[in-house]
Amino acid sequence: GQSLEQPSEVTAVEGAIVQINCTYQTSGFYGLSWYQQHDGGAPTFLSYNALDGLEETGRFSSFLSRSDSYGYLLLQELQMKDSASYFCAVLLGGRRALTFGSGTRLQVQP
Amino acid sequence: ETGVTQTPRHLVMGMTNKKSLKCEQHLGHNAMYWYKQSAKKPLELMFVYNFKEQTENNSVPSRFSPECPNSSHLFLHLHTLQPEDSALYLCASSPSGSRDEQYFGPGTRLTVT
Repeated sequence: GQSLEQPSEVTAVEGAIVQINCTYQTSGFYGLSWYQQHDGGAPTFLSYNALDGLEETGRFSSFLSRSDSYGYLLLQELQMKDSASYFCAVLLGGRRALTFGSGTRLQVQP
Repeated sequence: ETGVTQTPRHLVMGMTNKKSLKCEQHLGHNAMYWYKQSAKKPLELMFVYNFKEQTENNSVPSRFSPECPNSSHLFLHLHTLQPEDSALYLCASSPSGSRDEQYFGPGTRLTVT
């Protein structure tokens, strides 16, 4: 079967660093993606990791360890606008369809 | 502006009604998707179309019927729905090939009464 696990909620303060973890159990794993969704909005793409290691895009970084079936999203210099839900998703080999985790709600406090 | 539009944004329908959701993408993509997002549940893939051909049906009940007349348009026809079908229905598109990034529309908030 396929499953992804991520924490349901994380709270942090402005300017801090937060890490959102994602562990997965899938067959035919191809890559791990992260999406952000503000309340009432559409999910928007943040990052994609197909290979082990860290990918950095501005304040956001994403990490993947295929051997550990584990990845994380790192958000630095948190801003109030970063309050949103963050979903990890896996792209399975042979499919173009993403399987999403249940999402982590990040609340950034002043 | 995500390049993917959905109409209507909100829909209330009775269980005996028939309605359709529309999705249009202006990105030149060849793959389009329907997802269902319910409270307290992960985003669930429903259907995948690639070059107008359905490539995936994720065990969706037949009361949901997709249609993809061309690579830019995707419909979801609804009939005899159940209250548990109330959810946010999201359309997405992506380029064909190996790219992973999907672009989502704003969704249609559906309430079945």
